[in-house]
Amino acid sequence: GAVVSQHPSRVICKSGTSVKIECRSLDFQATTMFWYRQFPKKSLMLMATSNEGSKATYEQGVEKDKFLINHASLTLSTLTVTSAHPEDSSFYICSAGRDRGVHEQFFGPGTRLTVL
Amino acid sequence: AQRVTQPEKLLSVFKGAPVELKCNYSYSGSPELFWYVQYSRQRLQLLLRHISRESIKGFTADLNKGETSFHLKKPFAQEEDSAMYYCALSGARGTGFQKLVFGTGTRLLVSP
Repeated sequence: GAVVSQHPSRVICKSGTSVKIECRSLDFQATTMFWYRQFPKKSLMLMATSNEGSKATYEQGVEKDKFLINHASLTLSTLTVTSAHPEDSSFYICSAGRDRGVHEQFFGPGTRLTVL
Repeated sequence: AQRVTQPEKLLSVFKGAPVELKCNYSYSGSPELFWYVQYSRQRLQLLLRHISRESIKGFTADLNKGETSFHLKKPFAQEEDSAMYYCALSGARGTGFQKLVFGTGTRLLVSP
């Protein structure tokens, strides 16, 4: 149990367009979802934490208007990269937790975003 | 600031040899430490956490608050242990630091 999916797994877009990434908890209700970004050969960096029904909490240095996060239901969170630019190219990973803490997180497979 | 350091990018051992993946942390509060593993073409998954005090797939890790370390150990490495290992830190339950900070990861390569 405790499976998290992400869609799409890969996306290539033109500079200036917006891209939406979905994160779903398939067999449990996720009160908290986390969005991470991973650069090549680097660690995962937390971008934001979202609790269902409330606004996301963004980490320092992450632009809220650039990376829009919506967590409208207990099984779905979305990350929209607005007006994407090549420097936004990265691997985006979501995770979902069953409680409001970090102590039991289940990770999605990640989404590779390439902005041309 | 909270920080997790994994000094080795790559650790290469032969099958049957002991393995120790190093992890040091910096955190002023009461920490909770985790090891996550990512096998080739698979997602990140929890290997073990210090509060569970359990052995998973033969791996153990002991939290040493004096040395601020949480090294991952296995007495006899197997080829299927080859993967990327990430050490991660959060605050203990009930604290205000409820997020995971990851180290940069160590790639373990076990050769036959």
